[in-house]
Amino acid sequence: RKEVEQDPGPFNVPEGATVAFNCTYSNSASQSFFWYRQDCRKEPKLLMSVYSSGNEDGRFTAQLNRASQYISLLIRDSKLSDSATYLCVATHGSSYKLIFGSGTRLLVRP
Amino acid sequence: DGGITQSPKYLFRKEGQNVTLSCEQNLNHDAMYWYRQDPGQGLRLIYYSQIVNDFQKGDIAEGYSVSREKKESFPLTVTSAQKNPTAFYLCASSIAGGDNEQFFGPGTRLTVL
Repeated sequence: RKEVEQDPGPFNVPEGATVAFNCTYSNSASQSFFWYRQDCRKEPKLLMSVYSSGNEDGRFTAQLNRASQYISLLIRDSKLSDSATYLCVATHGSSYKLIFGSGTRLLVRP
Repeated sequence: DGGITQSPKYLFRKEGQNVTLSCEQNLNHDAMYWYRQDPGQGLRLIYYSQIVNDFQKGDIAEGYSVSREKKESFPLTVTSAQKNPTAFYLCASSIAGGDNEQFFGPGTRLTVL
């Protein structure tokens, strides 16, 4: 079993739609969590950190459920420019290492 | 502007040749990392360094070597012992390792002919 698992998609949604991505992690000792965005053939860029209390940044909301070892990302009012691959990331226990999921691809159509 | 640079952007190599990928950062970060990404897969850690003159193997270090002689620089050598080197190589840095977010360079796409 992969340490961080995501649905690979693709999720194909119209502009203005709300879309949710889910991610599960297997190491209960993981301390920190992030969502990164990666455009085709580009480097990953940090979208947001994920906190236990949940956090929001504009149209993006991230949630963490430690009991279920589950992380989510909600995107409201999707834009064409949101089309990308979204990577779920967890630390490997309490260590320096970041474990990346394989990513969920989002396609937003006009 | 602070950031991470990688060069070259594209690299072609013949089988049996060693090649070195450059990574430089001016963010004053202590920790630096090298990852490999294959199509449709997540990033896999090759090597990391938390301080100058020290580095550790990641999950897939075989066939690779690194050095960390300066805080700003963390070059990766792909040796002929790496059996499947064609991939997208990403360098990252962060504040003092641990659970801090990592910032990535633009990557080097290596193709072995």
